[in-house]
Amino acid sequence: AQKITQTQPGMFVQEKEAVTLDCTYDTSDPSYGLFWYKQPSSGEMIFLIYQGSYDQQNATEGRYSLNFQKARKSANLVISASQLGDSAMYFCAMEAPSGTYKYIFGTGTRLKVLA
Amino acid sequence: GAVVSQHPSWVICKSGTSVKIECRSLDFQATTMFWYRQFPKQSLMLMATSNEGSKATYEQGVEKDKFLINHASLTLSTLTVTSAHPEDSSFYICSASSYEQYFGPGTRLTVT
Repeated sequence: AQKITQTQPGMFVQEKEAVTLDCTYDTSDPSYGLFWYKQPSSGEMIFLIYQGSYDQQNATEGRYSLNFQKARKSANLVISASQLGDSAMYFCAMEAPSGTYKYIFGTGTRLKVLA
Repeated sequence: GAVVSQHPSWVICKSGTSVKIECRSLDFQATTMFWYRQFPKQSLMLMATSNEGSKATYEQGVEKDKFLINHASLTLSTLTVTSAHPEDSSFYICSASSYEQYFGPGTRLTVT
């Protein structure tokens, strides 16, 4: 069965520093998609970045990059130059099963950026 | 980008009453919509998948008679929590799918 694991319930990072949020996944599908979402206290789910299993390069979107290590089944989110507004809950998700558009979510990591 | 709205954004109701939550895709047609439930400090749990014009598919453990889902058109899905009880208090989030999921802003339900 597909599974997403986020082992860091909470993280602190100093403003302007980079931070890595961990995500590992398990699937037997050869084709899959991985997503990261940010959820601020308002509750809305903000899409950050997507990585397809066949993508040759790591995805990047502005200050967000995804460190995709397929053999290790990890898809860590890297936020560079952290800002106070980055403080939020971050969820890793995977489409499961592939092609259904259904997502399963990890348990999330709460990030706090310190001034 | 694709926009999904939810109404209401928050609702308080008395135990035993029913509450309807609407999810609309504003600028695209969504053949599939999803309903999630999120308890405080927890992750999103998929409740059901709703396809336009057909019955919703519920995840294991979700009571279909309690959480009625109707996907009347390609832009509207509704979730009705019937005979709500305090344990149904939660944050309900919908998403609409057009190759990927676009999330609504969520509805906070409090049952007193």
